[in-house]
Amino acid sequence: GNSVTQMEGPVTLSEEAFLTINCTYTATGYPSLFWYVQYPGEGLQLLLKATKADDKGSNKGFEATYRKETTSFHLEKGSVQVSDSAVYFCALREYAGGTSYGKLTFGQGTILTVHP
Amino acid sequence: AAGVIQSPRHLIKEKRETATLKCYPIPRHDTVYWYQQGPGQDPQFLISFYEKMQSDKGSIPDRFSAQQFSDYHSELNMSSLELGDSALYFCASSSGQGISYEQYFGPGTRLTVT
Repeated sequence: GNSVTQMEGPVTLSEEAFLTINCTYTATGYPSLFWYVQYPGEGLQLLLKATKADDKGSNKGFEATYRKETTSFHLEKGSVQVSDSAVYFCALREYAGGTSYGKLTFGQGTILTVHP
Repeated sequence: AAGVIQSPRHLIKEKRETATLKCYPIPRHDTVYWYQQGPGQDPQFLISFYEKMQSDKGSIPDRFSAQQFSDYHSELNMSSLELGDSALYFCASSSGQGISYEQYFGPGTRLTVT
């Protein structure tokens, strides 16, 4: 079955530091890849996505490139802010046949804490 | 903009009791997904509905049942609750069931079983 593996956390950074959160996946076909962010006490919000190989998703200074050859979708940001402190989930969706269209498979989540 | 509404936001039940969680999708969204997120865990897919019919099923226990009603809201019914059912339950909705349709998540219902 499909699976997503994220780097183990938590990650603690100082403001303006560079961020990388690694994500690799296993899928039978050609999934779409996503990064979701969860702020304390809130639901999951879509941060960015990529639907095919070599696509780059970007939003709010975050970027991730769909690398089919390494089955990876690493999240990066050049300069983090305190307000970026949250839990980040890598996820994939793949059509599995029949009516199994769109369930998300998530990674373990990475807690990011940014200090001033 | 209207978002996904879940009720209640917090629920405390005892073992062997029953719980009902409700999800109100974004207006004109016809697809609903349910996910369970245990403490420190990633969200796990439970079940989904499209146009009031079950469209996919994940790791949902037989003690749980769900349905989508004519107004597209959905309810997750959980019986014979166990301590391990304590989790955050998310509902997500989308305007279609294809992969290109983004899932919008509600704030979740935190269920605590004592």
